[in-house]
Amino acid sequence: GENVEQHPSTLSVQEGDSAVIKCTYSDSASNYFPWYKQELGKRPQLIIDIRSNVGEKKDQRIAVTLNKTAKHFSLHITETQPEDSAVYFCAAIMDTGRRALTFGSGTRLQVQP
Amino acid sequence: EAQVTQNPRYLITVTGKKLTVTCSQNMNHEYMSWYRQDPGLGLRQIYYSMNVEVTDKGDVPEGYKVSRKEKRNFPLILESPSPNQTSLYFCASSLRTGSSPLHFGNGTRLTVT
Repeated sequence: GENVEQHPSTLSVQEGDSAVIKCTYSDSASNYFPWYKQELGKRPQLIIDIRSNVGEKKDQRIAVTLNKTAKHFSLHITETQPEDSAVYFCAAIMDTGRRALTFGSGTRLQVQP
Repeated sequence: EAQVTQNPRYLITVTGKKLTVTCSQNMNHEYMSWYRQDPGLGLRQIYYSMNVEVTDKGDVPEGYKVSRKEKRNFPLILESPSPNQTSLYFCASSLRTGSSPLHFGNGTRLTVT
């Protein structure tokens, strides 16, 4: 089945710096790559997603890039703020009969004021 | 308000005592799924349902059952809970397949002693 690896597991940055989280996936059939943010004690919430027909997508300070050839995608957060502190999960879906969204193991981002 | 409602939020039980965690969504979503979240392992899918009376195993289905008799409800049943099922559980739904954005419930923290 699909396997998603996420790095780093923890990331600490200074407020105002950029943060990058990387994920690789194993199945070239995957065509949807969402990112979820989970604040402490809360539910995961979708922050951005990308489909395989585009290479980059931006939403204000957040961007996601996708390299289908290398089978990796990344989350970029610019001008980080303390409220960006959370656990971030990448995911990929292998839409070849078994429609299961596979998540990475998560990255704990800490933004230091 | 559009939401996924899980109950209970917290549950402490003993080994072998059957329990049910309820999940209900009011968005007329076709797709529903259950995840468990454990430290360092991310979100792992237990079961999912593409529509009424259609359910399928996820990555970690052992020890769990589900049913989808109505579109809005997707209960998770533990027939004989064991300590290794101590975890944080999330129900989620999306408009269609898992390649649509997932809406998560607030989670159920289960402890099995």
